[in-house]
Amino acid sequence: GQQVMQIPQYQHVQEGEDFTTYCNSSTTLSNIQWYKQRPGGHPVFLIQLVKSGEVKKQKRLTFQFGEAKKNSSLHITATQTTDVGTYFCAELSNYQLIWGAGTKLIIKP
Amino acid sequence: EAQVTQNPRYLITVTGKKLTVTCSQNMNHEYMSWYRQDPGLGLRQIYYSMNVEVTDKGDVPEGYKVSRKEKRNFPLILESPSPNQTSLYFCASSSSGLNSYEQYFGPGTRLTVT
Repeated sequence: GQQVMQIPQYQHVQEGEDFTTYCNSSTTLSNIQWYKQRPGGHPVFLIQLVKSGEVKKQKRLTFQFGEAKKNSSLHITATQTTDVGTYFCAELSNYQLIWGAGTKLIIKP
Repeated sequence: EAQVTQNPRYLITVTGKKLTVTCSQNMNHEYMSWYRQDPGLGLRQIYYSMNVEVTDKGDVPEGYKVSRKEKRNFPLILESPSPNQTSLYFCASSSSGLNSYEQYFGPGTRLTVT
């Protein structure tokens, strides 16, 4: 079935370092949504990308949608402790969201 | 306050004992959905509903039932729970506007079946 592959599964960073997570699909994505889930919490919507090559920014977060609409990325500049959590991508297809497995951002002590 | 509520938040039960997890939203959303979340597997959709009296299977519907008799409520029913249904369950809702299916999630229900 349809799949959205998300890598890496975990990323350990020092506070202040950058973080990136990637989502890839073998088929063209109609759109991509990004969510953040804090430890012990529920997913919270961050953004939706629809257009080929789209780039959107939210403060230190940069979201990109590939030109071929087969991949997307989320980049966080200068991570802070408040960024800790798991970041998910998801594609909306036929009234269902197809989710990536998530990338867990861990700040090294 | 706009929100999705779920009850109970935590539940420990035994194999075969029927249970219902309630979900309610106060945003007048047409679309509602149930997910289960397991480590390393992300979120998997169980059932969804486009509107009252309209429900459809998601990716992992086996062992679950839902109903949508009212717009605001979307209960998840486990007729005969089994240990492989031990998981974290989320209810979500969204409007059916064309531009976005941003989903609002409830706080989750952690279910353990022994």
